[in-house]
Amino acid sequence: DQQVKQNSPSLSVQEGRISILNCDYTNSMFDYFLWYKKYPAEGPTFLISISSIKDKNEDGRFTVFLNKSAKHLSLHIVPSQPGDSAVYFCAASAFMQGAQKLVFGQGTRLTINP
Amino acid sequence: DARVTQTPRDKVTEMGQEVTMRCQPILGHNTVFWYRQTMMQGLELLAYFRNRAPLDDSGMPKDRFSAEMPDATLATLKIQPSEPRDSAVYFCASGTLLGLNTGELFFGEGSRLTVL
Repeated sequence: DQQVKQNSPSLSVQEGRISILNCDYTNSMFDYFLWYKKYPAEGPTFLISISSIKDKNEDGRFTVFLNKSAKHLSLHIVPSQPGDSAVYFCAASAFMQGAQKLVFGQGTRLTINP
Repeated sequence: DARVTQTPRDKVTEMGQEVTMRCQPILGHNTVFWYRQTMMQGLELLAYFRNRAPLDDSGMPKDRFSAEMPDATLATLKIQPSEPRDSAVYFCASGTLLGLNTGELFFGEGSRLTVL
């Protein structure tokens, strides 16, 4: 039962262009949504988050959009840089089964081409 | 520079052997998670502790996996006996209750387990 889904295993974008990573979720109880970035041989690191009461959060080159009616969120990176090449995990947080849980998607490998 | 520390970084073992992975959470963090990264499932939640008490281990195969926090500075994940399908990267993550409400966790670098 995959509650958070990233349907694109990989994405390739040219440097300077916009990268758009997508994520879908099924549980309407999620109250926060997050993106984590992971480089090889390292642990994931927090990138940006958005509360379920908002529809947009921006931090520099990174913007996360939330469409609650569609249960969909996306991460926009503009302009894309070679250092953005990494695996991006979408995650959702909710109080479930007596605990605050963070549920992750499968990840999308982003490659920025020079 | 506070960070989550995991050992070992790499472990190769034979099927049937016991494997113990260790994690030192960031000082002051009272929530600890164990995740497993696989190609198909992404980051799977295995177990979750708050103030050293296990809150949720529903993601863990109970017959062979066990997770404990002997003290606030150490969390362990044990597999006995190990099987080839356990091969994966295991991540420990820690956070505070306040940060957890927004979902932010701090991850270690992971322990790569290969069971032959």
